[in-house]
Amino acid sequence: EAGVAQSPRYKIIEKRQSVAFWCNPISGHATLYWYQQILGQGPKLLIQFQNNGVVDDSQLPKDRFSAERLKGVDSTLKIQPAKLEDSAVYLCASSLGTGLLDEQFFGPGTRLTVL
Amino acid sequence: AQRVTQPEKLLSVFKGAPVELKCNYSYSGSPELFWYVQYSRQRLQLLLRHISRESIKGFTADLNKGETSFHLKKPFAQEEDSAMYYCALSGQGLYQAGTALIFGKGTTLSVSS
Repeated sequence: EAGVAQSPRYKIIEKRQSVAFWCNPISGHATLYWYQQILGQGPKLLIQFQNNGVVDDSQLPKDRFSAERLKGVDSTLKIQPAKLEDSAVYLCASSLGTGLLDEQFFGPGTRLTVL
Repeated sequence: AQRVTQPEKLLSVFKGAPVELKCNYSYSGSPELFWYVQYSRQRLQLLLRHISRESIKGFTADLNKGETSFHLKKPFAQEEDSAMYYCALSGQGLYQAGTALIFGKGTTLSVSS
């Protein structure tokens, strides 16, 4: 089966600019996650969707980050305006269900550099 | 606060030597523990979960609730085991409502011949 797709793979912007990332989960997967992975750290949750609804956005810096999952399939994550500390790899993951034991399948990530 | 600790940033062993990657967690509820692995130029993928109690690629991990540990072990390391390994925790109440994972910082395993 096709895996989780993300684009772009790399992005370089200047601080205060805006940027958007796109994710296409595995077909049929109800749950979609966005994680942020700063160099030297493990992934950290930004937001979780179930179908097109937000399950958890408690970790999302809402003053600059936004995300949506229209029609319960693809998702976009936006940063506006970007700060230097947003430089990280942004990982999208999906799982079939919403259980704690459901395997999460990860995309290749988008590496963002903010100058 | 809930967290996952992987004390070793890098673990270097020779081929055929035993491997133990350490993982400790802090969580008051009933934990679900996982090991994820990222090989060079590949995406993060699930290696094993404690509930399965199975051996994957020769790796095993036992959940020790008394010591709040979930160490990953393999009796004889192979060069193809070289990768970044992340321990991850899931459980009720970790987040507002969701089922997302809390990851450790990861341990790079380097196996040389």
